[in-house]
Parts: sequence; structure tokens; C-alpha cells
Amino acid sequence: DVKVTQSSRYLVKRTGEKVFLECVQDMDHENMFWYRQDPGLGLRLIYFSYDVKMKEKGDIPEGYSVSREKKERFSLILESASTNQTSMYLCATEGQTEAFFGQGTRLTVV
Amino acid sequence: GQNIDQPTEMTATEGAIVQINCTYQTSGFNGLFWYQQHAGEAPTFLSYNVLDGLEEKGRFSSFLSRSKGYSYLLLKELQMKDSASYLCAVRDDGNNRLAFGKGNQVVVIP
Repeated sequence: DVKVTQSSRYLVKRTGEKVFLECVQDMDHENMFWYRQDPGLGLRLIYFSYDVKMKEKGDIPEGYSVSREKKERFSLILESASTNQTSMYLCATEGQTEAFFGQGTRLTVV
Repeated sequence: GQNIDQPTEMTATEGAIVQINCTYQTSGFNGLFWYQQHAGEAPTFLSYNVLDGLEEKGRFSSFLSRSKGYSYLLLKELQMKDSASYLCAVRDDGNNRLAFGKGNQVVVIP
């Protein structure tokens, strides 16, 4: 079975905290993505990576950074969490003809 | 840039057939994906089209016309569990990023 695993399903953090969201895949896919999903706005791309140590900004990278030290792991970092970063965060990986999401992390910043 | 349009909501009766449309305008094209997303859950991969024509997978079929920038997802023999949001996503051929539509909410009624 295909597996994309995100480290937490639910997370509550305080404003100003540094937050790490981890994503691990076991499909040997090169492309990995981080999205956030908000009501009425759909899925918006934050960052993506098509190889180890490579990263590209998506549509809304401000306030985020990423790390890809190993092929199977892609981490999203909120440098200083703010309330407007409260959202559902989704990691995805993509092969040539298929793409899969992790279960999502619902992050609340208080 | 990329622009992907989907109607927002439709209601259909159990056992019926429903067609969900997606039109796109993208600078490059390297495949179109359809996903199903139940409330509070991550999207689940349904289908992939890169060539014109119809791809059939059980009760679900997906059609692509690249010249028209158009795709549809056909759901046959609707079941209550098919109540979900259906997302269309287009992959750009330049940078492999996926751009998502905002999704079409399908409500199945008895």
C-alpha cells in the first residue's frame, strides 16, 4: 500500500513558536509538495521539491521554509507561527501517473 | 499562470449519473488529475489523463480534451458515500507543479 505519512493529525501551537511539520513517503517519488487548504480558497501550494536538497517556492511561501535532506522526507517549517497560519496542511508526493496525499495536519495557532 | 475552473456544488440522486466539469488555462500541460475529498479528510487520487480520450475505472471515468482545455469526471451508479468534494488538478510541463481547482461539492441524496 502506498504510504504518505504526516507526523501529526492535529496540532495546537502558540503565536511566535517555531513549528515543524514532517512528511515521509515510501514510494521513492522525486516530487514532493506542501499545500495548505482553507475554506473557499482551495488548495494552495506553499513549497515543492523535485529532488533531495532542491526546493522551489509555490504560490504562498511567505512565513514558511522547507527542508529535504533525504528523498523520502520533506519538512515544512513555520519560522514564527501566526494566527493566519491556522489551516489544514497537506503533504503530497507525485510519480509520473499518480499522486498521493498524506492524511493532513490541522494546525491551530493561538 | 494557471487558471482552473470548476462549478462549486451539485446535488444528485442515489443511483444516478453525475458529470463534473473542469476547464483549465495553463502555460504548459503535462497531465490532469482528479481527486475525491471527504469532509475533514485528505484528497484521494482517482484518475490521471495525459492523452485525449476517456479513461474508465469502475464506476468512475475521466475524459480529457487538450485542445479545449477541458476535462470531466463521470460518476455512475451514485452511492451515498460518493458525497464529497471532487478536485481537478493540472500539472505544468515546465516545473511539474500541480495547480488545483477549488473543487466541486457533490451531495448525493436518497
